[in-house]
Amino acid sequence: GAGVSQSPSNKVTEKGKDVELRCDPISGHTALYWYRQSLGQGLEFLIYFQGNSAPDKSGLPSDRFSAERTGGSVSTLTIQRTQQEDSAVYLCASSLDVASGNTIYFGEGSWLTVV
Amino acid sequence: GNSVTQMEGPVTLSEEAFLTINCTYTATGYPSLFWYVQYPGEGLQLLLKATKADDKGSNKGFEATYRKETTSFHLEKGSVQVSDSAVYFCALKDTGGFKTIFGAGTRLFVKA
Repeated sequence: GAGVSQSPSNKVTEKGKDVELRCDPISGHTALYWYRQSLGQGLEFLIYFQGNSAPDKSGLPSDRFSAERTGGSVSTLTIQRTQQEDSAVYLCASSLDVASGNTIYFGEGSWLTVV
Repeated sequence: GNSVTQMEGPVTLSEEAFLTINCTYTATGYPSLFWYVQYPGEGLQLLLKATKADDKGSNKGFEATYRKETTSFHLEKGSVQVSDSAVYFCALKDTGGFKTIFGAGTRLFVKA
């Protein structure tokens, strides 16, 4: 697609429910990243994919968080048993690959509110 | 580890004022440096970048020079406009690294 597409754009969920956030990267981009932006905070790195592989999952906040990518394209971030502190904007980004000079392109984010 | 430190906001300026947003970094290698901007209600987008020492990135009247000796990448604009009101993020990506590390962001308000 023309840009990074994320869905849903807004999600309100009850504490304890599971949520899935979807990211569709720019066509041809092999690297995909998930970040979290809490209110008034900077960007917290969660996980990245090179192709379908996620070599480093240490940025995920807890074992309630998981992510997968299939076909080298769409990625899903899943949060199980959501807590109020999970409320944030979840940003997905992609780049051609992980080379240092490559620009990463962000989607508009999925705003998650846990009530 | 690698990190980015940028000046705290908010920064409030009048239209046509000179803007500087300071950014310094810590990195083990030779990183690429970026400024991203987030306009109200929009996603982050790249503003400018520099991939090696002494490079100057520029876009939309904004400039930043990669200073290895001072490990800095300060953002400047000679004359800001109301439409420049946004949050600005300094970021780095180290050689051989896989993630882009962001500063906390600096909110800029420009008054007419």
